[in-house]
Amino acid sequence: EIVLTQSPGTLSLSPGERATLSCRASQSVSRSYLAWYQQKPGQAPRLLIYDASNRATGIPDRFSGSGSGTDFTLTISRLEPEDFAVYYCQQYDNSPQSFGPGTKVDIK
Amino acid sequence: EVQLLESGGGVVQPGGSLRLSCEASRFSFSSYAMSWVRQAPGKVPEWVSVISVGGSKTYYTDSVKGRFTISIDKPKNTLFLQMHSLRAEDTAVYYCAKIGDPGWYFDLWGRGTLVTVSS
Repeated sequence: EIVLTQSPGTLSLSPGERATLSCRASQSVSRSYLAWYQQKPGQAPRLLIYDASNRATGIPDRFSGSGSGTDFTLTISRLEPEDFAVYYCQQYDNSPQSFGPGTKVDIK
Repeated sequence: EVQLLESGGGVVQPGGSLRLSCEASRFSFSSYAMSWVRQAPGKVPEWVSVISVGGSKTYYTDSVKGRFTISIDKPKNTLFLQMHSLRAEDTAVYYCAKIGDPGWYFDLWGRGTLVTVSS
């Protein structure tokens, strides 16, 4: 079973700043089968990135994903007020697929 | 707009049963694999079950095997999750989610329905 860890646990930034979120896997995620989701309080998660670097439909280009193997990154180039939320990574290469513990991006 | 809408949640005693439903707007379940994902209060999302395109194969996380059953009513375009022998640890918001292709990522989510297992 692949275990995902995310860092930092909380990221405190101001609107307009760049956010860099990390997701590390306990073993290699082949085929780059890694996704990123955004979740706001009281809402369902929303898919941002799939296959490590492909933006989902309707996702602004300030969101980008990169990485391979065991290390993956979600970058938000310039934070907008609506981007303050919790972000989860998910691997779907290995069964059972699994989510990371999340990174909370809050307003500094 | 493509949407998923869950229903059927509520409060149930330990050992009880509940059936969740998910209706889709503007797309057909027959063309996609579908899933149930749950999230306990303050916790990380957890995949529960998947049904393949057409409904011929089903998959379950270990903790619900033998207790939960996923199914599709194609004419009604509705996804179900029949839950039996419910436990306190099954308490969560249950989301219906569309599976991406080809990997098991979740590219469309419903708003969720809350299941509370408590005496």
